[in-house]
Amino acid sequence: GENVEQHPSTLSVQEGDSAVIKCTYSDSASNYFPWYKQELGKRPQLIIDIRSNVGEKKDQRIAVTLNKTAKHFSLHITETQPEDSAVYFCAASLNFGNEKLTFGTGTRLTIIP
Amino acid sequence: NAGVTQTPKFRVLKTGQSMTLLCAQDMNHEYMYWYRQDPGMGLRLIHYSVGEGTTAKGEVPDGYNVSRLKKQNFLLGLESAAPSQTSVYFCASRYLAGGAGNEQFFGPGTRLTVL
Repeated sequence: GENVEQHPSTLSVQEGDSAVIKCTYSDSASNYFPWYKQELGKRPQLIIDIRSNVGEKKDQRIAVTLNKTAKHFSLHITETQPEDSAVYFCAASLNFGNEKLTFGTGTRLTIIP
Repeated sequence: NAGVTQTPKFRVLKTGQSMTLLCAQDMNHEYMYWYRQDPGMGLRLIHYSVGEGTTAKGEVPDGYNVSRLKKQNFLLGLESAAPSQTSVYFCASRYLAGGAGNEQFFGPGTRLTVL
């Protein structure tokens, strides 16, 4: 089955700086890669996703890049703000033919004011 | 719409006791999932269902059972609780159409402690 590794496990950045979280996956057939954000004490929520027919996707201050050859994808947050402090999870799956997401172990991002 | 709801929010059990966690969704989603979240281990899939009357094992199914008698409800049962089952449990649901590339909507979680 799919295995997703996520690094780093914790990350602290100054407010206004950029943050990058990286994930690698094992199954070359995977073609759907979402990112979920979980604020303290809250439920995980989807913030952005990418499919393997594109290499990059942006949504305001967040972007995700995908390198299918190397089997890794990354979350980029620019101009970080205090409300970006949360745990971020990457995940991987087949878009069709597989009902399950395999999640990474999470990155706790802390924005330092 | 309430979205995905979970009952109860908190529970403390003694080793060997049994309990059932209830997940309900009002979005007419076909797929439903139960995850457990432990520090440093992310979200691990326990069981899931692709429709009313169906269930399937996930990554960590041992010690748990599930039932999906109605499309809107997905029950997670612990027959004989163990301290290793102390965790936060999340339910999630999503539409069938569009494959896995549809957002999973999570419930608020249930914090379970087994003494």
